[in-house]
Amino acid sequence: SQTIHQWPATLVQPVGSPLSLECTVEGTSNPNLYWYRQAAGRGLQLLFYSVGIGQISSEVPQNLSASRPQDRQFILSSKKLLLSDSGFYLCAWNRAGYYGYTFGSGTRLTVV
Amino acid sequence: RKEVEQDPGPFNVPEGATVAFNCTYSNSASQSFFWYRQDCRKEPKLLMSVYSSGNEDGRFTAQLNRASQYISLLIRDSKLSDSATYLCVVNPTNTGFQKLVFGTGTRLLVSP
Repeated sequence: SQTIHQWPATLVQPVGSPLSLECTVEGTSNPNLYWYRQAAGRGLQLLFYSVGIGQISSEVPQNLSASRPQDRQFILSSKKLLLSDSGFYLCAWNRAGYYGYTFGSGTRLTVV
Repeated sequence: RKEVEQDPGPFNVPEGATVAFNCTYSNSASQSFFWYRQDCRKEPKLLMSVYSSGNEDGRFTAQLNRASQYISLLIRDSKLSDSATYLCVVNPTNTGFQKLVFGTGTRLLVSP
């Protein structure tokens, strides 16, 4: 069966510090991968998606970047965090042609 | 206008009640529709897909009205464990690759 792992679960970082969140999928190959952010009281916002290794598409201009160094690994990064980067970050995957996502358990990031 | 709009609630209902949520979407070309459930501080989980003909899964019934561009979710015989936020989700494309658009959710509180 397929599983998705995301870590860390919670993170408190000072403004201006770097960020690296990791997501891995097991039990499948060539998944579509997604990073979403959910700010307090708001809906999920798509940040990045990837259809293959090294292929990253950005949905909104922001202080973050994403990379996919391996087929089942998706990384969200920032060189310098802003207060507005606080939120609940969710990684998700699906297979091409399959409708609906499976989400990881999320990382709750607080920038102080 | 938001792509997906939901009444944020909360809907407060007693156990055993029937409750219905509606959701409207703006893109008439949208092809697939879902309801996700999100518990407090957890990741969203797929509750059910919404098919044109309507579909039922136990106590849950989902319906789609393309002409009016709205989706509904009916929960019968509410349980305490149904307390959660219900997210209306729309895929605005008809390809296997998806960029799902999430509503901000409707909160349901079921009381004894």
